Amino acid sequence: KAGVTQTPRYLIKTRGQQVTLSCSPISGHRSVSWYQQTPGQGLQFLFEYFSETQRNKGNFPGRFSGRQFSNSRSEMNVSTLELGDSALYLCASSVRGGIDQPQHFGDGTRLSIL
Amino acid sequence: AQKVTQAQTEISVVEKEDVTLDCVYETRDTTYYLFWYKQPPSGELVFLIRRNSFDEQNEISGRYSWNFQKSTSSFNFTITASQVVDSAVYFCALSELDSSNTGKLIFGQGTTLQVKP
Repeated sequence: KAGVTQTPRYLIKTRGQQVTLSCSPISGHRSVSWYQQTPGQGLQFLFEYFSETQRNKGNFPGRFSGRQFSNSRSEMNVSTLELGDSALYLCASSVRGGIDQPQHFGDGTRLSIL
Repeated sequence: AQKVTQAQTEISVVEKEDVTLDCVYETRDTTYYLFWYKQPPSGELVFLIRRNSFDEQNEISGRYSWNFQKSTSSFNFTITASQVVDSAVYFCALSELDSSNTGKLIFGQGTTLQVKP
């Protein structure tokens, strides 16, 4: 069974630009969550999607958005990039996203803002 | 508010030593789940174990064992006879029910384990 696939693996952008990251969950998984990992703040929850609906959102500004498609693939978008957005962005999937569900993570997209 | 604390930022051991990674959590809920994940240099978080709040049985899986004690809100992880391949960052995480009924994970800051040959 293929794991969670995130593309691209690396991205370099400049301040003010926008970026879109992609995540393909494990086949049969309908819940997709996104996390931001930085040295200072650690791993922080961004949002979770299930059946194309955002069910939960972390404490991030509106510049961070996402969506989920009918095949459960998800994208997250960050607009007006800031230096502080440099991070590893991790996508995780689970069957239905309940609190008991182990989440399976991708390798992440490392975003660097110049 | 829920919180997970991993007080050990870095641990360095020599191969074959036993090592325990500490995890202390805070939650107001009676129903919650605790997880451990391993993050090797590649970046992917690898799921190791899940424990629910009603099951305080310790668990052993090969060289790995976990000790869950509700009385002290701790969920510690022990690696017996450590190996170089165990070198990674280890995260403890908490998942509890909220109004959205999603499994949002609250992570600790992680413990970097270095196993030297």
